[in-house]
Amino acid sequence: AAGVIQSPRHLIKEKRETATLKCYPIPRHDTVYWYQQGPGQDPQFLISFYEKMQSDKGSIPDRFSAQQFSDYHSELNMSSLELGDSALYFCASSLQGDYNEQFFGPGTRLTVL
Amino acid sequence: AQSVAQPEDQVNVAEGNPLTVKCTYSVSGNPYLFWYVQYPNRGLQFLLKYITGDNLVKGSYGFEAEFNKSQTSFHLKKPSALVSDSALYFCAVRPYGNNRLAFGKGNQVVVIP
Repeated sequence: AAGVIQSPRHLIKEKRETATLKCYPIPRHDTVYWYQQGPGQDPQFLISFYEKMQSDKGSIPDRFSAQQFSDYHSELNMSSLELGDSALYFCASSLQGDYNEQFFGPGTRLTVL
Repeated sequence: AQSVAQPEDQVNVAEGNPLTVKCTYSVSGNPYLFWYVQYPNRGLQFLLKYITGDNLVKGSYGFEAEFNKSQTSFHLKKPSALVSDSALYFCAVRPYGNNRLAFGKGNQVVVIP
């Protein structure tokens, strides 16, 4: 079965640079979520989109922005990167509905030097 | 605000013995509860969920969980642990009407051969 695809899988950036993370949801899933997992931490919700509109917003820094495109893929844009942004970034997708489980991608490991 | 507590950092169990990973939650309204497993350098894999109905929920790979409303708990169980069950287990709650998952800190399960 098709899964959530994330690219790139690994990314190394310098401080103050920008990064773009991409997410391709499971076909027919209409909702995309982004989570950040720091070293040894639990995943923290950043933002979600339903039908290309932002549906919920969590602890996402103002330096970060995201959008969902007409083909339902999503991109997380991160600017003015800081050392503390080094983390594993997960994208998840689901069908809209509180009771539907979210399916997670393999994650993008971002390292900021 | 919703929260999840997983009181034990690590759970050690001998192969073939019963495995229990504890989770308690705090949320206003009816909770939707989930268990995910994370293997090293991998994304989170969905195991099972409780939405409503029978308090005993059966999931993937022989895992099950028991919802206890009075104790606000959702403990994960497996009758006979395998070495391949060694991984990081996350309990998560999704309040009614809310998109985001709130995760516990995770439990490292080590199954000893």
